[in-house]
Amino acid sequence: ETGVTQSPTHLIKTRGQQVTLRCSSQSGHNTVSWYQQALGQGPQFIFQYYREEENGRGNFPPRFSGLQFPNYSSELNVNALELDDSALYLCASTAGTWTGELFFGEGSRLTVL
Amino acid sequence: QKEVEQDPGPLSVPEGAIVSLNCTYSNSAFQYFMWYRQYSRKGPELLMYTYSSGNKEDGRFTAQVDKSSKYISLFIRDSQPSDSATYLCASHTGGFKTIFGAGTRLFVKA
Repeated sequence: ETGVTQSPTHLIKTRGQQVTLRCSSQSGHNTVSWYQQALGQGPQFIFQYYREEENGRGNFPPRFSGLQFPNYSSELNVNALELDDSALYLCASTAGTWTGELFFGEGSRLTVL
Repeated sequence: QKEVEQDPGPLSVPEGAIVSLNCTYSNSAFQYFMWYRQYSRKGPELLMYTYSSGNKEDGRFTAQVDKSSKYISLFIRDSQPSDSATYLCASHTGGFKTIFGAGTRLFVKA
């Protein structure tokens, strides 16, 4: 059974740039959720994708957007990067939209300079 | 006020000690309560999962939920250096969004 994989693991961007983060869900899982974890904080829900549609969204601005593909993999896109976007971005997959147990990847650490 | 509050620590204990980790929450609609463990430079992994009030035990770990006081606890018996990690409490209402506390950093000294 293949777990959740994310890429890239680390990246550095400058303010105003755009970034795309990628996630492959665990085998058998059709739902992907994205979380942002700032240093010293718990993960904060960004949004969830189910059947290629956004199924729910947290308190994040529209410059955070996502996609889910037919194979259930997903992308998180962030436009017009700000310094406060520096964080660990975690992808979690589940079998269904009910988040009984989230299976997390190891995250993509984004630094915005 | 955050929906789930957690003391960030750090908490340092000697090997073999009993560890008590605690959270409070404010949303009365929360029905499901979880503890995740996160090692450095890793994603969180589910440790314990409980529904509504009560206790749940799994090996050296016991989770307690008291809905009347909106209090969530995790006890670790016979703590080991390998238990050194950040422990995140979390809750949700049964929907798509899980709310996490800030996490408590635990250090178990050999």
